[in-house]
Amino acid sequence: QVQLQQSGAELARPGASVKMSCKASGYMFTTYTIHWVKQRPGQGLDWIGYINPSSGFTNYNQKFKDKATLAADKSSTTAYMQLNSLTSEDSAVYYCTRRIDPDAMDFWGQGTSVTVSS
Amino acid sequence: DVVMTQTPLSLPVSLGDQASISCRSSQSLVHSNGNTYLHWYLQKPGQSPKLLIYKISKRFSGVPDRFSGSGSGTDFTLKISRVEAEDLGVYFCSQSTHVPPTFGGGTKLEIK
Repeated sequence: QVQLQQSGAELARPGASVKMSCKASGYMFTTYTIHWVKQRPGQGLDWIGYINPSSGFTNYNQKFKDKATLAADKSSTTAYMQLNSLTSEDSAVYYCTRRIDPDAMDFWGQGTSVTVSS
Repeated sequence: DVVMTQTPLSLPVSLGDQASISCRSSQSLVHSNGNTYLHWYLQKPGQSPKLLIYKISKRFSGVPDRFSGSGSGTDFTLKISRVEAEDLGVYFCSQSTHVPPTFGGGTKLEIK
């Protein structure tokens, strides 16, 4: 069955970076793009960007282009997102999800919680 | 960016009732390929969003037929014919016709 298994919660200092992972299984990794979505507590969903694991092509929401860096490793079927220069505004749950563009994001990871605090 | 506006914000219902959620987009969601990429998700407390309906009215694998979607252009509706306890949570509409994909603010379905 399709699974997107995300890495565990992160606690980071302001100004630091975090790198989270999303391990895909149960389907052909290179067939779907991997998207990342941010959700602040009690708030809606914000699209960060996506990576095409087959080509390595990335596309970012302008809001996040200086904040997030996406990568993917075909050999381990794992996608990664690094967030840099963390502030309290980056405290949120981050989800990875897959898609055949431009259709729906059909399966989602369980989320990685990031807390930025001194 | 396309703004997705959902109403109501909160929807108190009794079990067995019908529920209806509206979603309006700031521009047409008809893609150049003729499809309309409007989708509905349910997020239960402490869980990730789960896809219910894609392309306006297609139920995702395993979704009960009490869920139905309709609409066109900029106006869309999700209906739940007989609400069950497992249906409670926050419903989001989303569009992927335009880049970036965007989501509605959510509608919380709760017990009256």
